[in-house]
Amino acid sequence: DQQVKQNSPSLSVQEGRISILNCDYTNSMFDYFLWYKKYPAEGPTFLISISSIKDKNEDGRFTVFLNKSAKHLSLHIVPSQPGDSAVYFCAASALYNAGNMLTFGGGTRLMVKP
Amino acid sequence: ETGVTQSPTHLIKTRGQQVTLRCSSQSGHNTVSWYQQALGQGPQFIFQYYREEENGRGNFPPRFSGLQFPNYSSELNVNALELDDSALYLCASSGSGGANTGELFFGEGSRLTVL
Repeated sequence: DQQVKQNSPSLSVQEGRISILNCDYTNSMFDYFLWYKKYPAEGPTFLISISSIKDKNEDGRFTVFLNKSAKHLSLHIVPSQPGDSAVYFCAASALYNAGNMLTFGGGTRLMVKP
Repeated sequence: ETGVTQSPTHLIKTRGQQVTLRCSSQSGHNTVSWYQQALGQGPQFIFQYYREEENGRGNFPPRFSGLQFPNYSSELNVNALELDDSALYLCASSGSGGANTGELFFGEGSRLTVL
């Protein structure tokens, strides 16, 4: 039973345009959400996060939106750059989890074409 | 500031063998988590260590065990290896002392192949 799902395994976008990566979750106890980026042969690196008390968090070109009623979050990258090409993982955690246990989605491979 | 380092980066074992993977946490971090990432999937939580004690465990059998040392480095041990154990094993550290802030700092991983 996947509690965090990323239904698009891949996404291709032209440089300069907007990239929108989507994530759905089923566990209503999740209260903190994160996006990680992973390049080949490297570990995932933290990108941006959002608490369930907010519906939007912005950091430069990256914005995460949270729709709690729909149990859906999205990551917007504007403008997209070729260096953004990577696999993006959505992750969620809950206060009841011990420590920093994160539940990850399966990832979306983003390709930004020059 | 030294990041999270893992060793070995690649290794090949045969079914039934045992493996030990090692992780040095980022400087100043006292909490270490281990994740398994199978090909084409997202990382899955194995367990976390804080102050040398297991502080949370995912849905993995007891043949997956770990240790944390006084310098906060950690080991992941897997006994009786199975083919399905082939995966990238990621170590992540944080300085939250077990508090649920979510942000983790990952190493590059150890890729285990079981033949």
